[in-house]
Amino acid sequence: DSGVTQTPKHLITATGQRVTLRCSPRSGDLSVYWYQQSLDQGLQFLIQYYNGEERAKGNILERFSAQQFPDLHSELNLSSLELGDSALYFCASSVAPTRESGNTIYFGEGSWLTVV
Amino acid sequence: EDKVVQSPLSLVVHEGDTVTLNCSYEVTNFRSLLWYKQEKKAPTFLFMLTSSGIEKKSGRLSSILDKKELFSILNITATQTGDSAVYLCAVALPTLISNFGNEKLTFGTGTRLTIIP
Repeated sequence: DSGVTQTPKHLITATGQRVTLRCSPRSGDLSVYWYQQSLDQGLQFLIQYYNGEERAKGNILERFSAQQFPDLHSELNLSSLELGDSALYFCASSVAPTRESGNTIYFGEGSWLTVV
Repeated sequence: EDKVVQSPLSLVVHEGDTVTLNCSYEVTNFRSLLWYKQEKKAPTFLFMLTSSGIEKKSGRLSSILDKKELFSILNITATQTGDSAVYLCAVALPTLISNFGNEKLTFGTGTRLTIIP
């Protein structure tokens, strides 16, 4: 158990709908990352938050958005869902790294989204 | 474009064999290289490598980084069926130069390792 908690574990929804995925980082971790893993794309970085602020954006669609709340939990909002959005969505977290410690990122179990 | 390439894509060996998994990268502003094991769902952290030539070891697993040749290897000795998994290599890259905390991981596509009893 990595200490990163994601809900829901599984979600089935229809095209055009909107869903929210939730993540609680490990205790003490300030950084939260969202990744998407689909069969043909591998693990793709979506977005990073650090202590409530957006710090980095990857291949995140405009239909997707995220936020990190004052208690450090994060939500990933996916709207106008398409069949191609079906994937495993991972949240990961890390402590504020130093140059000596590096940046070990720990992953949650993922939320499996199926769009039908 | 930053690129992380793993080989082989798939490997099937017998229990007790030793395997070597490869990861090469072409990136700018390299920070560190990480290895993960993914069985059913969450990638679980194995190693983080930042310095060239220093082997990291955990039980039957070991890994080393060559920053001059831009590659890393993950060795597993005396393999067991529980080692069957997808092994992912990722490179940590900065998203903002000014702050070491701003990083993202760029992953390779993974090596699927199957251990036959």
